Amino acid sequence: SYELTQPPSVSVSPGQTATITCSGGNLGDKYVSWYQQKPGQSPLLLMYQDTKRPSGIPERFSASNSGDTATLTISGTQAVDEADYFCQAWDSSTAPYVFGTGTKVTVL
Amino acid sequence: DVRLVESGGGVVQPGGSLRLSCATSGFTFSDYAMNWVRQAPGKGLEWVSSINSRGGGSYYSDSVKGRFTISRDNSKRTLYLQMNSLSAEDTAVYYCAKGTPHPGGFDYWGQGSLVSVSS
Repeated sequence: SYELTQPPSVSVSPGQTATITCSGGNLGDKYVSWYQQKPGQSPLLLMYQDTKRPSGIPERFSASNSGDTATLTISGTQAVDEADYFCQAWDSSTAPYVFGTGTKVTVL
Repeated sequence: DVRLVESGGGVVQPGGSLRLSCATSGFTFSDYAMNWVRQAPGKGLEWVSSINSRGGGSYYSDSVKGRFTISRDNSKRTLYLQMNSLSAEDTAVYYCAKGTPHPGGFDYWGQGSLVSVSS
């Protein structure tokens, strides 16, 4: 079965850039979404179709997807960005969705 | 505002059954695919099942295929998940999630419903 691998944790200083990777075979051929989840809350869609940001999501969140790796970038990271982040892939040819293993972002 | 409200969770013995419901409002339910995603305690997200807008196509993860059935009633704006032959591995918070207008993601999530399988 298809798997998506993320680093378990990423640490970043306030105001700096956090980069979260998501790796999977030929991931660039699939659409990738990203979700933020804070403790006790439901996931929140941050990015979809690789690079699109839903309304209301701050511009400091951006993403890319190419080759075997998708990347979520948080520019000017704030304390409020401390959360778990999950990537998710979708391929129209296979229909099912796959989530990444998740990354805990700590803002030091 | 879009609202998704799950219900039907609880404690069930191994081998038992439960039916989750997800009542929706704030969008044209019949226009969108709907999904179930679960999260075991302290673990990551796991996609469970999806159903297209008209209910004619459904998809399941390998872990639930043959045991769970997704369905929807567009007249009631409600999504369902019938879960049979439950085991401890099915213990999780189950989220109902609305599909994005362009396929690929989930743009609105419910608050989740806890299913605990224990003897």
